[in-house]
Amino acid sequence: NAGVTQTPKFQVLKTGQSMTLQCAQDMNHEYMSWYRQDPGMGLRLIHYSVGAGITDQGEVPNGYNVSRSTTEDFPLRLLSAAPSQTSVYFCASRRRGSEGYGYTFGSGTRLTVV
Amino acid sequence: GQNIDQPTEMTATEGAIVQINCTYQTSGFNGLFWYQQHAGEAPTFLSYNVLDGLEEKGRFSSFLSRSKGYSYLLLKELQMKDSASYLCAVDIRGGSYIPTFGRGTSLIVHP
Repeated sequence: NAGVTQTPKFQVLKTGQSMTLQCAQDMNHEYMSWYRQDPGMGLRLIHYSVGAGITDQGEVPNGYNVSRSTTEDFPLRLLSAAPSQTSVYFCASRRRGSEGYGYTFGSGTRLTVV
Repeated sequence: GQNIDQPTEMTATEGAIVQINCTYQTSGFNGLFWYQQHAGEAPTFLSYNVLDGLEEKGRFSSFLSRSKGYSYLLLKELQMKDSASYLCAVDIRGGSYIPTFGRGTSLIVHP
């Protein structure tokens, strides 16, 4: 049971490049979400999903796309990277119906856009 | 917009008790989370309060007052390893329990 796995752990991109941050969980969790964390800003929700085939926007969705074709995977795509997207990205998941329990977070991807 | 406020930084002495406050004004409220995050690591879940009152889990307790839009996290018998950021988060959407986070409180525990 690996929990929530994020890859890569570190990434440097040039402005304008695209890439996909991977997130996979092996706990059969229905709910998954992506956050970014910036100094002094806390964790901000980018996109989330309540099940395969269902996604919705969070607070800061611009410049990012997601899809949820399987329960296990929830990739985050940066369409055209900008320096403002330099951040630490966390993926998190949770089982439906597990009231009283929080989300399990992955270890994060540290992205730098130059 | 959503407004979740907590102090930026607090310091305390090993063995002491510290209370970290969180106030919120949000468009919806279904419950309140507390998470712990050590530097360079992922957040880890501490507690979730739905009803008013105090919930205790070992050295950590969390309190909620829905009418006042107020919560606190109480840490007893502080240890050096408790030095971390403590994140208050509100579940505003319901159903999926997706938290909206405050900016976090950095707690420094010194000997």
